[in-house]
Amino acid sequence: DIQMTQSPSSVSASVGDRVTLTCRASQSVGSSLNWYQQKAGKAPILLIYGISTLQTGVPARFSGSGSGTDFTLTITGLQPEDFATYFCQQTYSTPITFGQGTRLEIK
Amino acid sequence: QVQLVESGGGVVQPGRSLRLSCAASGFSFSNYVMHWVRQAPGKGLEWVAVVSTDGNNKYYADSVSGRFTISRDNSKNTLSLQMNSLRFDDTAFYYCVRVSYSGTSKMDYWGQGTLVTVSS
Repeated sequence: DIQMTQSPSSVSASVGDRVTLTCRASQSVGSSLNWYQQKAGKAPILLIYGISTLQTGVPARFSGSGSGTDFTLTITGLQPEDFATYFCQQTYSTPITFGQGTRLEIK
Repeated sequence: QVQLVESGGGVVQPGRSLRLSCAASGFSFSNYVMHWVRQAPGKGLEWVAVVSTDGNNKYYADSVSGRFTISRDNSKNTLSLQMNSLRFDDTAFYYCVRVSYSGTSKMDYWGQGTLVTVSS
């Protein structure tokens, strides 16, 4: 199984900040890397797929990058609604696996 | 609009069975691969199972293989998860998830989740 490791596990930031979240795979996942946002009590929503493509309706302040085993999600100009937990996911091979999540909190 | 509505969750004793359902609407259900993903309260996301568009191909996480069965009824736009021999660590929110393909696969729509609690 491909293990996905996210760092940090939690981060505090202020509205307007730029924050970068990291996801590392235990082996190459090609371009099969997605990011999801989850707010308390809600289902996850898809933010970015294929490393860097924004899902329809996702604000442009979200961006994704990386290759092979190392990936990042960057939020530029944090908004109050961005404080949530973020998960990376690989769909390169079965079983599909998720990172453990990064909780983004308000400073 | 795409809607996925899970039902069937509840409190069940260890060793017993439960069947979850997911009613899909707003898209051509038979054209999409469907998954179940679960999340223990306060924990991360765990993929559970996947079924192909025609229902003939199914794959499971090791943690549920042999106990859970995923199925679909394309005539009724319904996805199901039969859960047998339930264990305490099966306690979780269970999400019905649609997958689409745009160069890579992505879980683009999720249901609201249904809570399964395994408790004696």
